[in-house]
Amino acid sequence: DADVTQTPRNRITKTGKRIMLECSQTKGHDRMYWYRQDPGLGLQLIYYSFDVKDINKGEISDGYSVSRQAQAKFSLSLESAIPNQTALYFCATSDAGSPGETQYFGPGTRLLVL
Amino acid sequence: GENVEQHPSTLSVQEGDSAVIKCTYSDSASNYFPWYKQELGKGPQLIIDIRSNVGEKKDQRIAVTLNKTAKHFSLHITETQPEDSAVYFCAAGWGSARQLTFGSGTQLTVLP
Repeated sequence: DADVTQTPRNRITKTGKRIMLECSQTKGHDRMYWYRQDPGLGLQLIYYSFDVKDINKGEISDGYSVSRQAQAKFSLSLESAIPNQTALYFCATSDAGSPGETQYFGPGTRLLVL
Repeated sequence: GENVEQHPSTLSVQEGDSAVIKCTYSDSASNYFPWYKQELGKGPQLIIDIRSNVGEKKDQRIAVTLNKTAKHFSLHITETQPEDSAVYFCAAGWGSARQLTFGSGTQLTVLP
């Protein structure tokens, strides 16, 4: 969905490096999410944020941190990247006021940690 | 926590045939069950969802059924077309946070 953008789309980094993945949305949604996708494992929730002041850990938060700089921006950081963090990362948003709270996903960032 | 199992992992059908993907969940508190379609190089997109107070929902060629007693729900695609080829994910969620637990995905291939 073009309303949710992620940068970069692809990234190669080395073990031990710090990297940041960025997500921006123009949907005006309060809630934002970071997921990780590995082949055969579906999507796993890393962190989620209900608003700028509310950030929560998901099921696999170890090794990751996040920052909600504004309602429209939610960044994911890997403080010291390791090879098993190689994966496809998705940002998503949802509107707390909508009946179904559909989550809208960005196009993803493919990360390779060497 | 919630655990969602999805079967099959791969499914090939002839164009025009029907496709069925099944999911089971473990947490009886789950009350929201969306299905997402992920095309190559793109993020998942919601195609249909169902809540626990409904047993079946249809949208053109797509339908979802829910059996809360058995804790399973299924996606049905009729009259499949090549553009239906994609990875499909089921998910289960509950509460106002709508935290979702995803299944492992099904790669659907529609053969022309």
